[in-house]
Amino acid sequence: NAGVMQNPRHLVRRRGQEARLRCSPMKGHSHVYWYRQLPEEGLKFMVYLQKENIIDESGMPKERFSAEFPKEGPSILRIQQVVRGDSAAYFCASSSLGGDTQYFGPGTRLTVL
Amino acid sequence: GESVGLHLPTLSVQEGDNSIINCAYSNSASDYFIWYKQESGKGPQFIIDIRSNMDKRQGQRVTVLLNKTVKHLSLQIAATQPGDSAVYFCAAPETGANSKLTFGKGITLSVRP
Repeated sequence: NAGVMQNPRHLVRRRGQEARLRCSPMKGHSHVYWYRQLPEEGLKFMVYLQKENIIDESGMPKERFSAEFPKEGPSILRIQQVVRGDSAAYFCASSSLGGDTQYFGPGTRLTVL
Repeated sequence: GESVGLHLPTLSVQEGDNSIINCAYSNSASDYFIWYKQESGKGPQFIIDIRSNMDKRQGQRVTVLLNKTVKHLSLQIAATQPGDSAVYFCAAPETGANSKLTFGKGITLSVRP
């Protein structure tokens, strides 16, 4: 059973570039959540998606950030025109329909130079 | 809104001793809680969960206790091992199944040989 997969594991971008983070949920899961973790801090919710739908984006910054979960393929978190403050670990989690438990991927560590 | 937090930032225990990690929550309507373990450079790993209709749940070397009266839960690790060294988070879904998790900051467990 493959768990939640994320790639890339590490991503380095210069200020102003775009960052694309990918997440494939656990097999059988149709719900994807993105969280951000700053150093020495807990995880902060960003966005919750089902296939082709954004369900809750209350934690997503209004500008430069977007997320999608297409009918086919992984969920993508996109950060446009990255700034140094975007440097963090970004984690994806997935759950089944009606499931309380979220299982996390290994994360993508974004470094903005 | 929900607030889930951990009392202490660090805990140091002797190998072989029992560890107790505490967590408080603010939303009396919360009915499901999860403990995660996060090792350095990795994503949060599910350890154990508990529903509000239970006071106690046991896993392999871990026990979670829930006190709804004072809105407190704890994670007990028996015979702590070096491999238990990690950051531990308690978390709760904000509005039930398929909703965002609220996390505390995390407590670092350090096991002395």
